[in-house]
Amino acid sequence: EAGVAQSPRYKIIEKRQSVAFWCNPISGHATLYWYQQILGQGPKLLIQFQNNGVVDDSQLPKDRFSAERLKGVDSTLKIQPAKLEDSAVYLCASSLEAGANYEQYFGPGTRLTVT
Amino acid sequence: AQSVSQHNHHVILSEAASLELGCNYSYGGTVNLFWYVQYPGQHLQLLLKYFSGDPLVKGIKGFEAEFIKSKFSFNLRKPSVQWSDTAEYFCAVKIHDMRFGAGTRLTVKP
Repeated sequence: EAGVAQSPRYKIIEKRQSVAFWCNPISGHATLYWYQQILGQGPKLLIQFQNNGVVDDSQLPKDRFSAERLKGVDSTLKIQPAKLEDSAVYLCASSLEAGANYEQYFGPGTRLTVT
Repeated sequence: AQSVSQHNHHVILSEAASLELGCNYSYGGTVNLFWYVQYPGQHLQLLLKYFSGDPLVKGIKGFEAEFIKSKFSFNLRKPSVQWSDTAEYFCAVKIHDMRFGAGTRLTVKP
């Protein structure tokens, strides 16, 4: 079974530039998550999708971050404009359904450096 | 607000030593508890989880964790570590969303 795919793996941009990350979840997984992991911290949930609808985006900085999952499969996370403090690893995860008893499978992450 | 605390930032052990990594959470209601591991260069993966029932939970690779409700703790243990256990370990709590601790880096010296 193929895992969660993410691209790019690494990205370096200057502050105030825009960037987008892509995630392809495990086939058949209805729930998709985007996490931000700053160096030295644990992952922090940014947004959760159930199919193509948003379940939780309470911790997403909506003035600069946006995410979509238009067809309920792939998802993109965008930052516009980026700030220095956005430097982090952005993790995508998916699960069969949203309940806690469904394991979340994580992708390799995209490491973003904002200079 | 729920939070998760992991007591140790970096633990260094020799092979065959016993391991215990602390995890405490702050929430008074029913919780779902997890330990995740990230081996060098690999993805985060689930080690074990607790939802209800027996508070002693066994996971993969000989790991176990004990849920102590009165102490709001979910400590991870392994009786004898191996060099291959070198990794970062994250405790997580799920109520409405998943909250992770800051992680503990484990280094096992051969």
